[in-house]
Amino acid sequence: GENVEQHPSTLSVQEGDSAVIKCTYSDSASNYFPWYKQELGKRPQLIIDIRSNVGEKKDQRIAVTLNKTAKHFSLHITETQPEDSAVYFCAASKSNMLTFGGGTRLMVKP
Amino acid sequence: NAGVTQTPKFRVLKTGQSMTLLCAQDMNHEYMYWYRQDPGMGLRLIHYSVGEGTTAKGEVPDGYNVSRLKKQNFLLGLESAAPSQTSVYFCASKGTGGQFGYTFGSGTRLTVV
Repeated sequence: GENVEQHPSTLSVQEGDSAVIKCTYSDSASNYFPWYKQELGKRPQLIIDIRSNVGEKKDQRIAVTLNKTAKHFSLHITETQPEDSAVYFCAASKSNMLTFGGGTRLMVKP
Repeated sequence: NAGVTQTPKFRVLKTGQSMTLLCAQDMNHEYMYWYRQDPGMGLRLIHYSVGEGTTAKGEVPDGYNVSRLKKQNFLLGLESAAPSQTSVYFCASKGTGGQFGYTFGSGTRLTVV
């Protein structure tokens, strides 16, 4: 089955700096790559996603890039704010099956 | 339009007791999923269903059973709860065709003592 690796497991940045989280996946047939933000005690919330026929997608301060050849994708958050502090999960979907990475705890220091 | 609703939200069980978690969706989605999330970890797939009357095993199915008698409902059963099943359980659903997004319920926090 699919295997998704996510790095780093924790990330601490200063407010206003950028944050980058990276994921790799194993199955080249995966075709949908969502990113979720999860606050303590809450459900995962979709923040951005990308399909395999697109290399990059941006939504305000958040962007995702996908390299299908290398089988990796990344989340970029610019101008980080304290409210960006949360756990972020990448995931890969193939044949309507979603596999999650292990998560990154992002801490934005004011 | 409530999306995905999970009941109960919290439960404490004694080892060996049984219980059923209910997931209901009102979006007419074909696919439904049960995940568990342990502290500091990502979500792992327990069981899933690709349509009414169908179920299949995911990554960590042992100790759980599921049923999908109605399209809108997906039930997760624990026949004999164990402390290792202490976790937060999330249900999700997904449409077909060009619908790529997954909708998650708010979770059930289960403690087995």
